[in-house]
Amino acid sequence: DAGITQSPRHKVTETGTPVTLRCHQTENHRYMYWYRQDPGHGLRLIHYSYGVKDTDKGEVSDGYSVSRSKTEDFLLTLESATSSQTSVYFCAISLAGSYEQYFGPGTRLTVT
Amino acid sequence: QQQVKQSPQSLIVQKGGISIINCAYENTAFDYFPWYQQFPGKGPALLIAIRPDVSEKKEGRFTISFNKSAKQFSLHIMDSQPGDSATYFCAASMGQGGSEKLVFGKGTKLTVNP
Repeated sequence: DAGITQSPRHKVTETGTPVTLRCHQTENHRYMYWYRQDPGHGLRLIHYSYGVKDTDKGEVSDGYSVSRSKTEDFLLTLESATSSQTSVYFCAISLAGSYEQYFGPGTRLTVT
Repeated sequence: QQQVKQSPQSLIVQKGGISIINCAYENTAFDYFPWYQQFPGKGPALLIAIRPDVSEKKEGRFTISFNKSAKQFSLHIMDSQPGDSATYFCAASMGQGGSEKLVFGKGTKLTVNP
């Protein structure tokens, strides 16, 4: 699992509430990513980070924000959760100079 | 617009058979093509990957075949085993390494019957 932990692993929340998912890595990797996985869509990139305080948008960034104040933590925030954000969220890391990405165990989020 | 198209959606193979999953891409700037294996409740795990300067890469029972002119690549699983039953995703990316934005296919659910 490349030293990646995600928390919480499961969460149920109500529409309109803010939600923050945490990705924590222990190996000082520079690059971190957030993906969502939905049936019939594969995995889609939400946001990524290429260093502390350096982030950029991915394919499906609307409704999501991210922050990275420390190398080891990459936070994904849903400011006001909607039912369309019910999904499984995966964090990934890659090593500098490498194409390979390694994924965490995922967070299953249900928005009711 | 889907940049990586994967087929079939599902595949059933007998133990010992060959499993073949195909992907096609559109963007000729892609220069890295990985395959991921995912078991239920787990994150995707990198299985094997190829760069476009080679036509084939083999690791154990898993082989990637790459056809640059056709913009297609495929995963072959030889001597398929029940333990190979999982969902497989192809992907593609471009860049200089380290800040890759992977574009995934929609996945193939493989079932290997004993």
